[in-house]
Amino acid sequence: QQQVKQSPQSLIVQKGGISIINCAYENTAFDYFPWYQQFPGKGPALLIAIRPDVSEKKEGRFTISFNKSAKQFSLHIMDSQPGDSATYFCAAITVGSGGSNYKLTFGKGTLLTVNP
Amino acid sequence: DTGVSQDPRHKITKRGQNVTFRCDPISEHNRLYWYRQTLGQGPEFLTYFQNEAQLEKSRLLSDRFSAERPKGSFSTLEIQRTEQGDSAMYLCASSPGLGGRTDTQYFGPGTRLTVL
Repeated sequence: QQQVKQSPQSLIVQKGGISIINCAYENTAFDYFPWYQQFPGKGPALLIAIRPDVSEKKEGRFTISFNKSAKQFSLHIMDSQPGDSATYFCAAITVGSGGSNYKLTFGKGTLLTVNP
Repeated sequence: DTGVSQDPRHKITKRGQNVTFRCDPISEHNRLYWYRQTLGQGPEFLTYFQNEAQLEKSRLLSDRFSAERPKGSFSTLEIQRTEQGDSAMYLCASSPGLGGRTDTQYFGPGTRLTVL
């Protein structure tokens, strides 16, 4: 059972455009929502994250919008650049059975291509 | 480079063979995680260490898999009697363990395993 659903699977945007990636979740135990960026041959790297008591968080060109009642959140990349071309993963965190660890549950990823 | 390192980066093996991967976390990070990523999917949690103690194991981690972190520093992941379904990218992550769900996990570049 996929706990975090991500769409679209791939996205092509022109330079300067807005890239939008959407995610939805069911598990109400999730209580922190990070986005990761992964370039080919590299591991995922944290991009931006949001707590569920906040509706929006902005860092530079990257904005997360969060709708708790709908259990949905999205990543907006403003003024998209070719260097933003990568795979983006939404994720959700919950406390693991170890009691002190925080497990990441990832979506399937979105391959973003920004054309020059 | 002071990031998470993994060795080897690529491993090709024949079905039935044993393989071992190594992860060196960021210095002084006391939490270490292993994830598995298959093509077109996000990383999936396998196991977690707090210092040398393995505190949680996913159901994905069958009896053929074993992970250790003997001195609370580097970790090894061994797969015995490999199967073609084990082919995946194995990612290691570490975090400072400062507490809370904002404890950022830093990922290594991964070890890509191909089982023939």
